Amino acid sequence: QKEVEQDPGPLSVPEGAIVSLNCTYSNSAFQYFMWYRQYSRKGPELLMYTYSSGNKEDGRFTAQVDKSSKYISLFIRDSQPSDSATYLCAMTPGGSYIPTFGRGTSLIVHP
Amino acid sequence: GAVVSQHPSRVICKSGTSVKIECRSLDFQATTMFWYRQFPKQSLMLMATSNEGSKATYEQGVEKDKFLINHASLTLSTLTVTSAHPEDSSFYICSASPTGEGYTFGSGTRLTVV
Repeated sequence: QKEVEQDPGPLSVPEGAIVSLNCTYSNSAFQYFMWYRQYSRKGPELLMYTYSSGNKEDGRFTAQVDKSSKYISLFIRDSQPSDSATYLCAMTPGGSYIPTFGRGTSLIVHP
Repeated sequence: GAVVSQHPSRVICKSGTSVKIECRSLDFQATTMFWYRQFPKQSLMLMATSNEGSKATYEQGVEKDKFLINHASLTLSTLTVTSAHPEDSSFYICSASPTGEGYTFGSGTRLTVV
């Protein structure tokens, strides 16, 4: 079993839909959780950075962490075609550790 | 926000030649820089961690003599792919953590060896 599991998709949704992206993990030591967006042939861009369990909201994006279930989610409200990208989750036991990445979920938002 | 500038964005080279990729932290000092490799539709694979003024730490299975990393200053790290072969064709990305919260990535370099 990989440390971080993420469905590669693709996930195809209509414009305006609420998107739910998820990752599960096995290492209970993970405390810091990140979501990155990566457009084709570009480097990943940090979207959300959260510590421990709970929710964090930033505009149309909400990150949710459930440490008891070892499950994290990223919700995108009012999805736009410009949100079409690959979304990678990442996590570390501490801020100075090298992050472990999921393989990414490809999201397609069609007009 | 913090920016990591990576060049070139795309390079095509002949088999047997060497290619240098540069990553610069533009508005912060990067004591540590991470180098990744990414295959199509795959996640990031950490190749090595470079620390300013010291030798890089390579991940298991990564050839040190093929992928030379130099981190001569707090704002510049370079990856040189030596004697490149077609199997080295990939997307290479660097990253650093300016604040200790999250990592900033370069824009990536697509290397094609022909």
